[in-house]
Amino acid sequence: DTGVSQNPRHKITKRGQNVTFRCDPISEHNRLYWYRQTLGQGPEFLTYFQNEAQLEKSRLLSDRFSAERPKGSFSTLEIQRTEQGDSAMYLCASSLSSGMNNEQFFGPGTRLTVL
Amino acid sequence: AQSVSQHNHHVILSEAASLELGCNYSYGGTVNLFWYVQYPGQHLQLLLKYFSGDPLVKGIKGFEAEFIKSKFSFNLRKPSVQWSDTAEYFCAVNGDGNKLVFGAGTILRVKS
Repeated sequence: DTGVSQNPRHKITKRGQNVTFRCDPISEHNRLYWYRQTLGQGPEFLTYFQNEAQLEKSRLLSDRFSAERPKGSFSTLEIQRTEQGDSAMYLCASSLSSGMNNEQFFGPGTRLTVL
Repeated sequence: AQSVSQHNHHVILSEAASLELGCNYSYGGTVNLFWYVQYPGQHLQLLLKYFSGDPLVKGIKGFEAEFIKSKFSFNLRKPSVQWSDTAEYFCAVNGDGNKLVFGAGTILRVKS
């Protein structure tokens, strides 16, 4: 499968624990995005990378959230001291860096449940 | 700031009925517009996109959308829906070449 992959697909954790999610983009894509989706809402932008550089972060991304893309390939999203409000689907997408005409391809998401 | 409004959260249609899902966006500059679909148990997939040129764009599975700049709209249409079109549909706008801003989605159920 050459699409965007995400692991794990599901994560259940207790409040206060740290969690880390991984995203592997389509291999030739140099842009990688993280979104969060809660029930009844569309995905909301969190952050994006071009290669290893994190170029934009949403105000939704509190200081408990950190994302990395150390070698410009896969990315990790870590949430420290999880709260029940962090329960959501976390989506990763990738695209070619081609200015305005960048179609984003989405992965299956990681569903986080914080108890 | 960019925003996207989808008019209906739930739509129920019988097979062969025509579909139109409304989408309005708020952004003053040049935009790229998208419709994504999420079938039950599957991830988001691109249905169609508008970058420039002909404002009537055709996508996969018989879907089309019309960009009306004066109305800031990008409505999705299909002349005759099938049971397999049951899914959630998201309109999205990209005004800065980077992040997508999504609407809240419309859940379509097609009765067979």
